[in-house]
Amino acid sequence: EIVMTQSPATLSVSPGERATLSCRASQSVGFNLAWYQQKPGQAPRLLIYDASTRATGIPARFSGSGSGTEFTLTISSLQSEDFAVYYCQQYNTWPRAFGQGTKVEIK
Amino acid sequence: QLQLQESGPGLVKPSETPSLTCAVSGGSISSSSYCWGWIRQPPGKGLEWIGSIYYTGTTYYNPSLKSRVTISVDTSKNQFSLKLNSVTAADTAVYYCVRAHNYYGSGSYYSGWFDPWGQGTLVTVSS
Repeated sequence: EIVMTQSPATLSVSPGERATLSCRASQSVGFNLAWYQQKPGQAPRLLIYDASTRATGIPARFSGSGSGTEFTLTISSLQSEDFAVYYCQQYNTWPRAFGQGTKVEIK
Repeated sequence: QLQLQESGPGLVKPSETPSLTCAVSGGSISSSSYCWGWIRQPPGKGLEWIGSIYYTGTTYYNPSLKSRVTISVDTSKNQFSLKLNSVTAADTAVYYCVRAHNYYGSGSYYSGWFDPWGQGTLVTVSS
């Protein structure tokens, strides 16, 4: 089974600043990685799939990169609505697996 | 626009076998372009994939839950279901149903990213 590890657990960022979130897979998942955003009381929302493709309606300030075992989600200039928990997820092999999440909070 | 709506018992007792259903609207569950799944989230914790099913009935389960989980599909009702045997307090969670987009790779189609998600239904296990 592939284990997904996200870092840091919590990221404190000021509005307007750049946020960089990391996700590491215990073995290669190729480009088969997605990122989700979850706000309190809401279901997760797809942000990025295939490691770097933005989902429909996702602002350009969100970008994904990486392949194999190392991935990054970058939010170029944090807006107030971006403070949330972010999860990565691999879909290269069964069982599907999520990272434990990174909480982006206001500094 | 495709929408997913979970329904479930809400409160169940330990050792019971609750069943959850996901009604799919705005699209057909019988599309070969998609797979359907269940994901859960205990209060204050992260996301756990439970399992997935194709409209043909082919299933994949999380090994940690496989012995207690059954996912089925009813194409006539455009819905799919989750049954979880012998629940304990550790099964208390919000249960989400999702659609997975299939992608092409290595000569075949595979289940990919999850979008959209249902709003989730809380299942509480308590005596």
